[in-house]
Order: sequence, then structure tokens, then C-alpha cells
Amino acid sequence: GQQLNQSPQSMFIQEGEDVSMNCTSSSIFNTWLWYKQEPGEGPVLLIALYKAGELTSNGRLTAQFGITRKDSFLNISASIPSDVGIYFCAGPNSGNTPLVFGKGTRLSVIA
Amino acid sequence: DGGITQSPKYLFRKEGQNVTLSCEQNLNHDAMYWYRQDPGQGLRLIYYSQIVNDFQKGDIAEGYSVSREKKESFPLTVTSAQKNPTAFYLCASSIAGAHEQFFGPGTRLTVL
Repeated sequence: GQQLNQSPQSMFIQEGEDVSMNCTSSSIFNTWLWYKQEPGEGPVLLIALYKAGELTSNGRLTAQFGITRKDSFLNISASIPSDVGIYFCAGPNSGNTPLVFGKGTRLSVIA
Repeated sequence: DGGITQSPKYLFRKEGQNVTLSCEQNLNHDAMYWYRQDPGQGLRLIYYSQIVNDFQKGDIAEGYSVSREKKESFPLTVTSAQKNPTAFYLCASSIAGAHEQFFGPGTRLTVL
């Protein structure tokens, strides 16, 4: 089935550093969603992207819909300890099909 | 306060027993979903329902069953046929036709 590949799988950064992660697919997506999951909790929707080239921010988070429509990027500026968690990308295969999720990027922030 | 609730947060069962996980939403969403999450893995779709009294299998439906008798509720039964039921189970809902899904807090099921 359709797969989304996220990289890196995990990252350890110092508080205050900027973070970049990405999500790629072998096929085109029309929507990209980015979620954050804290330990033992359900994922929370951070940003939704709907058009190729779109750049959307949510506080210190910025996400971009890749021009090829096969990738998306999430950046976090000036990381803080509460940024810790797993960040998932997700998107629909096509039309009304349910979402497919990447395996996530696990972020650890060292104070 | 609108949202999705899952209960209980932690559930323990003996091998061979069926167990039902609860999911309720008061967001007036038409669509509801069940996912399974294992350590280091993404979310895998078990079942979904886009309307009351109708549901479809996801990628890993074997050993699971669902019902959708009310718009607000989408319970998941983990049957004894599920070979490896210990996992974190997440319920989500969405507006009909929308891709954005909103998740509940999850239920961690441990089968002893």
C-alpha cells in the first residue's frame, strides 16, 4: 500500500536550536497533515496543507507543501522542552480515502 | 467541551477474552476511525465508518469488529482471534469529506 517515509527517525537537539524534518512519498498527495503526539496521548493536529508550494505557520512551527506534491517539510524554530514528542505526517491516498501515516520523527530536546 | 473520549485509559485482559474499547465524540462528526499503534510504528487503520450503520475494513481488520449504531459512538471489539492484541488503540473522527482527523487520548490494552 501507499507509504510515507519520514526522516530523520529520531533527533536529539539542544534547547533553542531549530529543527527540520521531512516526509516523502512515491506518489502525489493533495493534502498534507502534520500531527504531534506526546507520550501516552493521542496525536494533535498541528498544520494542514492543501496546495503545492503552500507555506503555513503555527507559532514556531512552519510547514511546507512540496512543489512536486510528493513531499512536505516541518520546521520548528527555537525549540523548547515541551516540543518533545513524535511528529507524524499524514495524507489521503486520493479522494475520500482514509489517511496514511508516516512512522514519525521522534524529537528529544536537551535543556 | 467538544471532543473525543476513550475509555478506559488502561485495560488489562487475559488471553482468549474478547474486550470492547469505547469511543465517544460530541463533535457532530460523521466519520470515525480506529487505529492501532505499536512502539516505533506509525498508525495503522483497523476500521472506519463514514456514516451510521456502515463501516469499512482498514489495513489490519482481522481479529477486530466494530459497530456504528449511533453517530456519537464507535466501539471496537478486540476478539480472541487477534494474535497480538497488546497495543495502543486510538480513535479519531472527522467531518464528512474532510481529511483532518481529530484523535482521542487512546486506550492502552495489555493482554496477559
